Amino acid sequence: DIQMTQSPSSLSASVGDRVTFTCRASESINSYLNWYQQKPGKAPKLLIYVASFLQSEVPSRFSGSGFGTDFTLTISSLQPEDFATYYCQQSYSVPYSFGQGTKLQIK
Amino acid sequence: QLQLQESGPGLVKPSETLSLTCSVSGDSISSGSIHWGWIRQPPGKELEWLGNIHYSGRTYYNPSLKSRVTISVDTSKNQFSLNVSSVTAADTAVYYCARAISHFHGYVFGYWGQGTLVTVSS
Repeated sequence: DIQMTQSPSSLSASVGDRVTFTCRASESINSYLNWYQQKPGKAPKLLIYVASFLQSEVPSRFSGSGFGTDFTLTISSLQPEDFATYYCQQSYSVPYSFGQGTKLQIK
Repeated sequence: QLQLQESGPGLVKPSETLSLTCSVSGDSISSGSIHWGWIRQPPGKELEWLGNIHYSGRTYYNPSLKSRVTISVDTSKNQFSLNVSSVTAADTAVYYCARAISHFHGYVFGYWGQGTLVTVSS
C-alpha cells in the first residue's frame, strides 16, 4: 500500500501570505495526486486533481505541482476563507490513501 | 444539482453490523464509468477510503478492513449502500459517500455527501 505523508502537520499564516503545503508518497505515483480542503464539520472539497489541474470553480490562487513522490499545494495570497485543513490523496493505485492533513491556522 | 445524502443509524452496538445508504439525486447512479465510494474519518483523524462501486456491481475495497466491508448498489432507487460487520469502537467515525470520476487514471472524489457520524457503543 502507498503511504502519504504531509508536512507540516500545522501551519500559521496571515491573510495575504503565500503558503505551500507538501505531500510525499512512499513510492512513485506519477501525477496521480489530488488535494482537498476540509473545514470543521464539513465534507472535504476537491481543489486540485492529477497534481496540477484546478477543479471547476476553485479560485486561481490555488495551484499544485509535482511528479513521482513529491508534491506541493500553493495558495498565492491567503484569504480568510482558506483557513482549513488540507489533505492529499493518491489515485494511482488501490487502496486509495490520504495524507494525515495540514491544518492552516490564522497567525 | 448533484446531491448525495447518507442515512442510517447513528449508534451501533459492538460486534453488530453498521449499515448506511447513500441516496443520489441530480445524477444517475448508472452514469458511464463513474464510481460511487465510501470514505470515513474517525473524530480528529485523517480520511480513510473504504471502497468504491460501479453501477455494474464491480467493487473495489480497502484490504485493511479485511472482509468486513461490503458495498452494494440499487440502480432502481439510485442508491448505494455500505455494510461494515463486526464493528468495534475503532469503527466510530463520520462516514461520507462520494462520487468519483477518473481523470486519466484512478478515481478522484469530486462530490461528497455531508457525512454522518456513526458511534459504536453498547
